[in-house]
Amino acid sequence: AQSVTQLGSHVSVSEGALVLLRCNYSSSVPPYLFWYVQYPNQGLQLLLKYTTGATLVKGINGFEAEFKKSETSFHLTKPSAHMSDAAEYFCAVRTNFGNEKLTFGTGTRLTIIP
Amino acid sequence: EPEVTQTPSHQVTQMGQEVILRCVPISNHLYFYWYRQILGQKVEFLVSFYNNEISEKSEIFDDQFSVERPDGSNFTLKIRSTKLEDSAMYFCASSREGVGNQPQHFGDGTRLSIL
Repeated sequence: AQSVTQLGSHVSVSEGALVLLRCNYSSSVPPYLFWYVQYPNQGLQLLLKYTTGATLVKGINGFEAEFKKSETSFHLTKPSAHMSDAAEYFCAVRTNFGNEKLTFGTGTRLTIIP
Repeated sequence: EPEVTQTPSHQVTQMGQEVILRCVPISNHLYFYWYRQILGQKVEFLVSFYNNEISEKSEIFDDQFSVERPDGSNFTLKIRSTKLEDSAMYFCASSREGVGNQPQHFGDGTRLSIL
């Protein structure tokens, strides 16, 4: 079984400040990890993914995430927040052993303070 | 960039009626999915579909639900005898392959409101 925990349903940061959104996963086999962003009234857009190889992955809009197996974490960061980053962010996990579904976390709503 | 498209964007239906939600996956994708998101809750997997048959389904996906690929481009979710608790945002997704490292691409969703 697999699961995702996102700490903090709401995060507020000032424009220009560091963004850190936390994600911890549970998986009995090596996971594939994804971050999706959802803007108001829109669908889920892939930000970045970790499959194998380099543990620090870069995505769109200046976001990056680091896979830490020892901590079972995949936190999302951005050095400098922009107003356009305000959205809901979902961490998701998937395995490659007969299990095609994505399992999502509960999401973190990011608010940017001008 | 190719997109997954869903219609309608908003569907309002009386309880007990049947609804069909439509999706056009990305053209060269072979795996198709439906997810739902009840207001304020997480996105939940409903079903995956490959080679004209269901490959995996969740506990939510009971006999009330069915999926179909009626032609080479559309992928539909049918909900029979809708209930109030079926009110949610329904997302269609597709991926080129079913392996875990292939990302799923999502549509903008259909907001289903059951009255």
